[in-house]
Amino acid sequence: EAEVAQSPRYKITEKSQAVAFWCDPISGHATLYWYRQILGQGPELLVQFQDESVVDDSQLPKDRFSAERLKGVDSTLKIQPAELGDSAMYLCASTGLQTGSYEQYFGPGTRLTVT
Amino acid sequence: LAKTTQPISMDSYEGQEVNITCSHNNIATNDYITWYQQFPSQGPRFIIQGYKTKVTNEVASLFIPADRKSSTLSLPRVSLSDTAVYYCLVGHHASGGSYIPTFGRGTSLIVHP
Repeated sequence: EAEVAQSPRYKITEKSQAVAFWCDPISGHATLYWYRQILGQGPELLVQFQDESVVDDSQLPKDRFSAERLKGVDSTLKIQPAELGDSAMYLCASTGLQTGSYEQYFGPGTRLTVT
Repeated sequence: LAKTTQPISMDSYEGQEVNITCSHNNIATNDYITWYQQFPSQGPRFIIQGYKTKVTNEVASLFIPADRKSSTLSLPRVSLSDTAVYYCLVGHHASGGSYIPTFGRGTSLIVHP
């Protein structure tokens, strides 16, 4: 069964450093989502791509976060500089939006710890 | 944005039926209701999706009343492995037509032996 791939699975970084996460969605899925999930809370949508275009980034802290999906396939989420409050799980999901289904397929996530 | 409200936690016992209700009072006409399950340190996993009335699949049923202001996820005969957080999600369509999902805080279900 096809899966969403994410790397790294775990990342420890010091505050003020730069960090990047990578996501490879399921082949053929045009829509890609990046979420941040703080322990004990639901996933918060940071940015949503339709192919290579951003369709929603209203919750993305644009002063330090950036995301790109240059060829409409894999995607990178970057944080620079990292802050202590950025410690969280970063989840990537994709969907093909076929036949009216909004089913999202999630990757295993990247657990970020900022020290 | 259709905000969702769920109980923070629920307890059950093996073999029982569990019903988790989610309220979404300002759901829009074209919004769908989707439920996800999440285990610790894993990404959420799709359970079921519906628009109105009742939807059933191999793992759960979803009941949606006519006014669509709430929905109930029903898990038949739960087992210990159903211990997880369950999220009700209602998306909205942005001005350009794109579907924007919004997760709630989830319900932590603990199944006891």
